[in-house]
Amino acid sequence: GAVVSQHPSWVICKSGTSVKIECRSLDFQATTMFWYRQFPKQSLMLMATSNEGSKATYEQGVEKDKFLINHASLTLSTLTVTSAHPEDSSFYICSARAAGPEAFFGQGTRLTVV
Amino acid sequence: GQNIDQPTEMTATEGAIVQINCTYQTSGFNGLFWYQQHAGEAPTFLSYNVLDGLEEKGRFSSFLSRSKGYSYLLLKELQMKDSASYLCAAYAGNNRKLIWGLGTSLAVNP
Repeated sequence: GAVVSQHPSWVICKSGTSVKIECRSLDFQATTMFWYRQFPKQSLMLMATSNEGSKATYEQGVEKDKFLINHASLTLSTLTVTSAHPEDSSFYICSARAAGPEAFFGQGTRLTVV
Repeated sequence: GQNIDQPTEMTATEGAIVQINCTYQTSGFNGLFWYQQHAGEAPTFLSYNVLDGLEEKGRFSSFLSRSKGYSYLLLKELQMKDSASYLCAAYAGNNRKLIWGLGTSLAVNP
């Protein structure tokens, strides 16, 4: 199957700083990428959908100024958590889709804000 | 509105068979995904059903009834490593989104 690489796998940052998470489709061109957030023992919560070259579509309740998404190419999308606070600590997962319905997931990023 | 329901938790014994049910109410339904997720890891693809009926893939099978808004994932010859969360997701709508259930946490006991 297709491979999506997410980096870093885990990161610890200080409160008030920004963190960038990268999501790359390694062997296919991703027309759409999705960013999810998942708290312990809960399901995936879609944060935003991004299409290459256009602005991301954010889900209701997700602050677009806090969670900056850039999808500059067909193989790379980035999520930047700006001015991170402890409540932003979570598991962030990206997924990428080409033309078909199946979405391929990255490994996830465990963010801890201290 | 869009809604996916699946049981929160299930327990089964190693070597047994377990069926995890999922009901959905969505507009513009296209198909139904099942994913497996181990704790601390990203989901991995198990199956995608578009047409009614049962699709078998090794120890795992998935069933879909579009008229009933119902799907199930059948796991045979359970192994300890099958202990995980199983997520049901409907692929629906013109915006091609996945609508996720809350997941079923399966515990396989020896």
